[in-house]
Amino acid sequence: AQRVTQPEKLLSVFKGAPVELKCNYSYSGSPELFWYVQYSRQRLQLLLRHISRESIKGFTADLNKGETSFHLKKPFAQEEDSAMYYCALSTLYSSASKIIFGSGTRLSIRP
Amino acid sequence: DAGVTQSPTHLIKTRGQQVTLRCSPKSGHDTVSWYQQALGQGPQFIFQYYEEEERQRGNFPDRFSGHQFPNYSSELNVNALLLGDSALYLCASSSLAGVTDTQYFGPGTRLTVL
Repeated sequence: AQRVTQPEKLLSVFKGAPVELKCNYSYSGSPELFWYVQYSRQRLQLLLRHISRESIKGFTADLNKGETSFHLKKPFAQEEDSAMYYCALSTLYSSASKIIFGSGTRLSIRP
Repeated sequence: DAGVTQSPTHLIKTRGQQVTLRCSPKSGHDTVSWYQQALGQGPQFIFQYYEEEERQRGNFPDRFSGHQFPNYSSELNVNALLLGDSALYLCASSSLAGVTDTQYFGPGTRLTVL
């Protein structure tokens, strides 16, 4: 069964400290992994996807198929990074894909 | 482009009633997916519509049904409302023309069932 697990409900770090939001997934096929972010009073939006292999707002995430993980990292946290982060999984190149979301991690950056 | 729009913003219903939520996709998108987000949880996939047909469905009862119109807009209908149906309902649109489809989310409709 497809499943996404985010073990931390809340992560609080100081500004300038490194950030790592954990995500593990369960899927028998070839997954496409995403990180979505929801800032206060804004809609859910895509932050990054693993196939793009790009850094967005200083965040990166590497797909580790051996550990079935897709952790989100940023070397130096900024106050504007405070938000709700959701890891998500989708079937790859499917004609009718659906996204399976984790339960989310609230990231709080302390000044 | 206003992006994905949803109406209404908020809705209050009582148990047993029926509700219809509406979604207009982002310009150029032909696929609409619906999600239910309970308080403190991530969004849960309800179903997806493409070419006016339900293409895939999550683990939701038949009380949840939908429709897609020729202009790609969509409705989500929920019959015989239960207290547990109280949630934020999100609509997301995408285009299946590309190899991978990025889903763009609307602001959601907050449904409260009393």
